[in-house]
Amino acid sequence: EAGVTQFPSHSVIEKGQTVTLRCDPISGHDNLYWYRRVMGKEIKFLLHFVKESKQDESGMPNNRFLAERTGGTYSTLKVQPAELEDSGVYFCASSQVAAYNTEAFFGQGTRLTVV
Amino acid sequence: AQSVTQLGSHVSVSEGALVLLRCNYSSSVPPYLFWYVQYPNQGLQLLLKYTSAATLVKGINGFEAEFKKSETSFHLTKPSAHMSDAAEYFCAVIPKSGNTPLVFGKGTRLSVIA
Repeated sequence: EAGVTQFPSHSVIEKGQTVTLRCDPISGHDNLYWYRRVMGKEIKFLLHFVKESKQDESGMPNNRFLAERTGGTYSTLKVQPAELEDSGVYFCASSQVAAYNTEAFFGQGTRLTVV
Repeated sequence: AQSVTQLGSHVSVSEGALVLLRCNYSSSVPPYLFWYVQYPNQGLQLLLKYTSAATLVKGINGFEAEFKKSETSFHLTKPSAHMSDAAEYFCAVIPKSGNTPLVFGKGTRLSVIA
């Protein structure tokens, strides 16, 4: 069974440009999460989808970040326009059931560098 | 707000030596506790979790962690380090009070010296 996959694995963009990250969760997992790790800091929650609906987006840093989940399958996270402080590793995770206290399976992350 | 402290951003041990990675949480009510590991170029993988059953939790790859309420700790140990254990380890919590996301510590990078 395929795990959580993220594309691209690395992205280097200039300040002011737009970048779109993609996450394909494990098939059948209704719950999808985005997290971000800025260098040297904690992994922090960004948002949580249940199917195509945003359940919790309390961690989204500002309105330059837009997350979507088309048809409850894959998800995209768009950063527009990108700023230097957006650099970091973006992780996606998915889980089968709705409660947070179940095992979430993580992707390998997308390393975003804004220069 | 719930927080997790991992003491030591980098720990180095010799092959065959004891591994001890420290994690403390800040909560008067014991939360759910997790240890994740990230091997190079891979995603986070769950090592083990504490959900209020036995206080000594056994995980994969010979790792275990002991929940100590009096010390608000959930330290990760392995009796004998192997070269393949070199990775970054993250302690995380979820409060039992409700549906909230995982709260992670800053991570500890483990190096194993031959």
